[in-house]
Amino acid sequence: EAGVTQFPSHSVIEKGQTVTLRCDPISGHDNLYWYRRVMGKEIKFLLHFVKESKQDESGMPNNRFLAERTGGTYSTLKVQPAELEDSGVYFCASSQLAGGSLEQFFGPGTRLTVL
Amino acid sequence: GQNIDQPTEMTATEGAIVQINCTYQTSGFNGLFWYQQHAGEAPTFLSYNVLDGLEEKGRFSSFLSRSKGYSYLLLKELQMKDSASYLCAVTVAGNNRKLIWGLGTSLAVNP
Repeated sequence: EAGVTQFPSHSVIEKGQTVTLRCDPISGHDNLYWYRRVMGKEIKFLLHFVKESKQDESGMPNNRFLAERTGGTYSTLKVQPAELEDSGVYFCASSQLAGGSLEQFFGPGTRLTVL
Repeated sequence: GQNIDQPTEMTATEGAIVQINCTYQTSGFNGLFWYQQHAGEAPTFLSYNVLDGLEEKGRFSSFLSRSKGYSYLLLKELQMKDSASYLCAVTVAGNNRKLIWGLGTSLAVNP
């Protein structure tokens, strides 16, 4: 079974540019999550999709961040325009729908550097 | 607010036993997870505790005391490959899917 995949693995952009991160969850997982780890800080929750619907987006930093999951399969996280403080590792995770295990399966992350 | 504390670093010797503690203060605790993360890789699930007591899974065990806001991860028969970061995370009432993380404990296993 393929795991959670993320693309790209690394991205270096300049302040003010736009970046789109992609996450492909494990097939059949209706729950999809985005997290971010800024250097020296703990991993922080950004948002949670159930299928194509945003269940909880309480962790999204501001309106420069837009997450989508059209069709309830893969998800994208767009940062526009990027700021220096957006640098960090963005993790995606997926899990089964309610009734299954609460275990979240993580992707390897996208390391974003904003210069 | 939510607060989760773990030691920053620990060292241990191959073959030994190590205990990594995690304390939490949260509003409406639901359950506690332990994840392992090797440098540059994805966090991988180790254990989930929702009730008080010890959960054993091979060389790894996890304990939870809800009344004390305390958990520990016990690693036995340490191997070099156990050198990694160990992350404690909790979920709270209202959204049992949203993980709230500690900073993680970096464990170095020496020969």
